[in-house]
Amino acid sequence: GENVEQHPSTLSVQEGDSAVIKCTYSDSASNYFPWYKQELGKRPQLIIDIRSNVGEKKDQRIAVTLNKTAKHFSLHITETQPEDSAVYFCAATSNSGNTPLVFGKGTRLSVIA
Amino acid sequence: DAGVTQSPTHLIKTRGQHVTLRCSPISGHKSVSWYQQVLGQGPQFIFQYYEKEERGRGNFPDRFSARQFPNYSSELNVNALLLGDSALYLCASSFGVMGNTEAFFGQGTRLTVV
Repeated sequence: GENVEQHPSTLSVQEGDSAVIKCTYSDSASNYFPWYKQELGKRPQLIIDIRSNVGEKKDQRIAVTLNKTAKHFSLHITETQPEDSAVYFCAATSNSGNTPLVFGKGTRLSVIA
Repeated sequence: DAGVTQSPTHLIKTRGQHVTLRCSPISGHKSVSWYQQVLGQGPQFIFQYYEKEERGRGNFPDRFSARQFPNYSSELNVNALLLGDSALYLCASSFGVMGNTEAFFGQGTRLTVV
């Protein structure tokens, strides 16, 4: 089955700096890669996703890149703000209909004002 | 428009007891998945249901079972509770099967087993 590794487990950045979180996956059949943000005591919220037919996707200060050959995908947050502080999870699955979302262990991002 | 709703939000049970958790998906969504999230870890897949059929099961013991009803709501049942079952149980709904469309999570049920 799929295995997703996520690094780093914790990340501290100064407000205004960029943050990068990296994930690797093992199953070459995976073709859908969402990212979720989970604030303390709240539900995971989908912030951006990418499918394997594109290499990069942007939404304002957030971008995701995908390298299918290397089985890597990354989350990039620019101009970080204190409200970006949360735990971020990457996940991977395929659209076969029989495979679940497999999550990484999470990255705790702290943005220091 | 209501999002994914789960009940109850918090629950305390004793070892050996049984628990039923409930999930109502977003209106129009036909797929419900259940995840267990232990503190400090990512969600772990338990079950996926689509159109009332089981489409996948994670590495959990037979004490865990689930079903999906004709209105697409779902129940997760756990028998013979163990201390290690203490976790946040999350339900996610999507229009299609997982991977075809975005999945949205409920706020979770915090289960404490004492």
